[in-house]
Amino acid sequence: GDSVTQMEGPVTLSEEAFLTINCTYTATGYPSLFWYVQYPGEGLQLLLKATKADDKGSNKGFEATYRKETTSFHLEKGSVQVSDSAVYFCALSGGSGNTGKLIFGQGTTLQVKP
Amino acid sequence: NAGVTQTPKFQVLKTGQSMTLQCAQDMNHNSMYWYRQDPGMGLRLIYYSASEGTTDKGEVPNGYNVSRLNKREFSLRLESAAPSQTSVYFCASSEARSVYYGYTFGSGTRLTVV
Repeated sequence: GDSVTQMEGPVTLSEEAFLTINCTYTATGYPSLFWYVQYPGEGLQLLLKATKADDKGSNKGFEATYRKETTSFHLEKGSVQVSDSAVYFCALSGGSGNTGKLIFGQGTTLQVKP
Repeated sequence: NAGVTQTPKFQVLKTGQSMTLQCAQDMNHNSMYWYRQDPGMGLRLIYYSASEGTTDKGEVPNGYNVSRLNKREFSLRLESAAPSQTSVYFCASSEARSVYYGYTFGSGTRLTVV
């Protein structure tokens, strides 16, 4: 079945460092891909999404490009801030074996130090 | 701007006790979901309701029951709580075509079973 794999955390960076969180997926058909963010003590919020190959999702300085050839959707940010400390989840929906339900990766914790 | 509201936010149960987690959304969404979040395992789907009057099992349904009371409300019941059900529970809702829009999540219920 469809699945999502993220790099293990925690990822610890200094403020203003470059961030990459890797995400790869397995799915048949043409899923949509999402990044969600969970701040401490809160629920998940949609950060960005891409619905077809080569689309780039972006929001709050974060970007991710839907790469069908490498089945990847890596999250990047050029300069992280302490306020970006959170858990980041990659997810997919809409593959042939998945009628609309979101399937999540295991989450990657990001800690940004001043 | 309530979105998805979950109650209670925290709960401690003794093994064998029962309880119902409540979820309500005010966005007129058709689909609703219950997930549990455990460390290192991401979010796993317990049950979902694609539309009012229908419910289906997700990845980890054992030990749980659900009721889609109306379009707004989707409750999760633990009939006989076990320590393995200690987790954070999230309710979410979406338009039927979540492949494009993703989900809106509640802020979660942190449940401890002792």
